[in-house]
Amino acid sequence: AQSVSQHNHHVILSEAASLELGCNYSYGGTVNLFWYVQYPGQHLQLLLKYFSGDPLVKGIKGFEAEFIKSKFSFNLRKPSVQWSDTAEYFCAVNAHEGGATNKLIFGTGTLLAVQP
Amino acid sequence: SAVISQKPSRDICQRGTSLTIQCQVDSQVTMMFWYRQQPGQSLTLIATANQGSEATYESGFVIDKFPISRPNLTFSTLTVSNMSPEDSSIYLCSVEKGGETQYFGPGTRLLVL
Repeated sequence: AQSVSQHNHHVILSEAASLELGCNYSYGGTVNLFWYVQYPGQHLQLLLKYFSGDPLVKGIKGFEAEFIKSKFSFNLRKPSVQWSDTAEYFCAVNAHEGGATNKLIFGTGTLLAVQP
Repeated sequence: SAVISQKPSRDICQRGTSLTIQCQVDSQVTMMFWYRQQPGQSLTLIATANQGSEATYESGFVIDKFPISRPNLTFSTLTVSNMSPEDSSIYLCSVEKGGETQYFGPGTRLLVL
């Protein structure tokens, strides 16, 4: 069965620090990859996604993620975080298996706290 | 994207009762999904609801416990039946738009006493 691993459960950074959140998945076939963000008191929002093409994808608010197929990874990055980036971040994978392409498998989430 | 609303936003229920959660989307969509997010855990898909067909349930979830309706292309309901404290969770609906991309509602926080 497919699974998604997020290595960091809690991350604390100071403003202007660089961010990288790890995400690895277990599936050898074609995948669609997503990062979602949930700000305090708000609902889950799409941050960015990768379907095909350039493995470096850019999302909203200065976030980017790189798909490395050989490492089954889709790490999220931001060069300089802000206090407003404090949120929980979820990596998700949609594996193309047996024609059922719509099921999203989520990682356990990473809680990011940015200190001003 | 899509604008999704859920009702109720939160509720406290007694064990043994049932709660129906509504999900409304601002445009017609083929596929709607129901997820559960238990305290301290990630999102888990309960079922997929397509208009005009029976919902498809994931392993560990059954129709008797989580009956779903999908009467039209903008609306769905999830009922949590015969609740126990283990059902305390956030229940979210999502829709697929723009090709295999899911957008989520605000969630319903359920506490079962």
